[in-house]
Amino acid sequence: DTEVTQTPKHLVMGMTNKKSLKCEQHMGHRAMYWYKQKAKKPPELMFVYSYEKLSINESVPSRFSPECPNSSLLNLHLHALQPEDSALYLCASSQDPAGNQPQHFGDGTRLSIL
Amino acid sequence: GNSVTQMEGPVTLSEEAFLTINCTYTATGYPSLFWYVQYPGEGLQLLLKATKADDKGSNKGFEATYRKETTSFHLEKGSVQVSDSAVYFCALSGSNTGNQFYFGTGTSLTVIP
Repeated sequence: DTEVTQTPKHLVMGMTNKKSLKCEQHMGHRAMYWYKQKAKKPPELMFVYSYEKLSINESVPSRFSPECPNSSLLNLHLHALQPEDSALYLCASSQDPAGNQPQHFGDGTRLSIL
Repeated sequence: GNSVTQMEGPVTLSEEAFLTINCTYTATGYPSLFWYVQYPGEGLQLLLKATKADDKGSNKGFEATYRKETTSFHLEKGSVQVSDSAVYFCALSGSNTGNQFYFGTGTSLTVIP
């Protein structure tokens, strides 16, 4: 069982819809991450939150909007997505924002854009 | 800069064969090194890690040794099982990488009975 919980597991949405992906961890980790993963590729970093503040945005289009309501929760708000945004979206957390500790991943949300 | 170069796949082995997946890295400073495994339909799971030179990480019969002199962290297992079929990612991270993980391209392993 994963210690990082992501919901929903699957999401199909049209290009005009607004939806949100959710991620939760109760390990007391202070860094949380969003990744996008295409088939047969490694995860690509999108955003990093360190102590609930956005510390890295990897030039992600504004149709993706992250939010960290508290130290246990991480959301990714989606609006006006494109078909090429279809992918597996992974959330991860780590104890140490400095990067020396392993990241713990959820099972992801598989997103399909119609 | 920081980067990870990983052995190209896919790799197909018979059950009980010996596995090696090569991983070399380029990094400033002294990174931590990791191997992750991704089973179909799942996220990445930490398989093993090493935080300094000559450390050996091990888990579930898999091993990897942090070799600073060759900048390598090769993954090995003496006898693979069908259940080891998955994609394996080598990664590095550290205080000089600004919170970021650098992943290799991944190696797909299929073990046949």
